[in-house]
Amino acid sequence: AQKVTQAQTEISVVEKEDVTLDCVYETRDTTYYLFWYKQPPSGELVFLIRRNSFDEQNEISGRYSWNFQKSTSSFNFTITASQVVDSAVYFCALSDLTGANSKLTFGKGITLSVRP
Amino acid sequence: GAGVSQTPSNKVTEKGKYVELRCDPISGHTALYWYRQSLGQGPEFLIYFQGTGAADDSGLPNDRFFAVRPEGSVSTLKIQRTERGDSAVYLCASSLSGGYGNTIYFGEGSWLTVV
Repeated sequence: AQKVTQAQTEISVVEKEDVTLDCVYETRDTTYYLFWYKQPPSGELVFLIRRNSFDEQNEISGRYSWNFQKSTSSFNFTITASQVVDSAVYFCALSDLTGANSKLTFGKGITLSVRP
Repeated sequence: GAGVSQTPSNKVTEKGKYVELRCDPISGHTALYWYRQSLGQGPEFLIYFQGTGAADDSGLPNDRFFAVRPEGSVSTLKIQRTERGDSAVYLCASSLSGGYGNTIYFGEGSWLTVV
């Protein structure tokens, strides 16, 4: 069965520190998609990135970067030079053929607090 | 608006009452989803619509929960005989199509409190 584990529950950093959010997934499928979403206090889940299982290249978007490693079933998310506006709950999610229909399996989320 | 719109944003109801939650997806998106998020948890899938039909309702917890999308756009999630355990955020989402791996875009959710 599909499963996403976000072992860290809460992280607190001081502004400008780098922070890495961990995500480990389980799936029996060889083809799958991984996602990261950000949930600010307003409650809306904001899409950050989608990664296909065949593409193991790391990706960088501004201060955000993602490290995908199939060998360890991990898809970690790093924020460089964190800012107060990065404070939110971050979710990792998996979509695989077992789930079908783009159904997402989410982790429990990591609450990130960035202090000024 | 450009995003997924949900109403009401907050709803407090008494145990045993009937509740309707409405979702207006992104224009042009044929796939629509309902998820439920309890405090401290990630969202959990409830139901998926492709067009007007419910293609997958495997996540609905019991027969008190029902959803419709009669014209393939707006959807309504209906909860009968509400229980305190139904208290959660109900998130609606949509994607361009329902194919596997499509990016899903979420609304701000409807916070339901059953007292």
